[in-house]
Amino acid sequence: EIVLTQSPATLSLSPGERATLSCRASQSVSSYLAWYQQKPGQAPRLLIYDASNRATGIPARFSGSGSGTDFTLTISSLEPEDFAVYYCQQRTNWPITFGQGTRLEVK
Amino acid sequence: QVHLVESGGGEVQPGRSLRLSCAASGFTFSSYGMHWVRQAPGKGLEWVAVISNDGTNKYYADSVKGRFTISRDNSKNTLYLQMNSLRADDTAVYYCPKDTTASGGGHGMDVWGQGTTVTVSS
Repeated sequence: EIVLTQSPATLSLSPGERATLSCRASQSVSSYLAWYQQKPGQAPRLLIYDASNRATGIPARFSGSGSGTDFTLTISSLEPEDFAVYYCQQRTNWPITFGQGTRLEVK
Repeated sequence: QVHLVESGGGEVQPGRSLRLSCAASGFTFSSYGMHWVRQAPGKGLEWVAVISNDGTNKYYADSVKGRFTISRDNSKNTLYLQMNSLRADDTAVYYCPKDTTASGGGHGMDVWGQGTTVTVSS
């Protein structure tokens, strides 16, 4: 099974700042990586698919990059509604796996 | 409007069974693979199972293989998860997200319901 390791576990930033979240795979997943946002009490929401493609309705401040084993989710300028938990997920091999999550909190 | 509604959760004793349902609307259900994903209290997301659009291909997480069965009824736009031999560590919110492709190994899970809670406790 492919293990996804996200860092940092918690990221403390202020609105307006730039956020950089990392996801590292235990083996290559090519570009088959997605990112999700989850707010308390809500279901996850797809942000990015295939490493760098924004899902429908996702603001342009969200961007994804990377391939192989190292991936990054960048939020260019944080809005108050962006503070949440973010997960990466790979679909290269079964089983599908998720990272453990990065909590983005208000500093 | 695309909509997924999970149901069937509840409290059950260890070793017992439960069947979850997921009612889909607002899209052509028979064209997409579907997943079950769960989240234990205070924990991250764990993928459970996937089924292709026509039901011919199914894959499971090792943690549920042999105990859980995913199925679908395209005539009723409904996805199911039959859970047998339940254990305490199956306690979680269960979601049934839609895949972006027919096979279920597509470009992410783009529609999610609000989930149904399963509690396994004696």
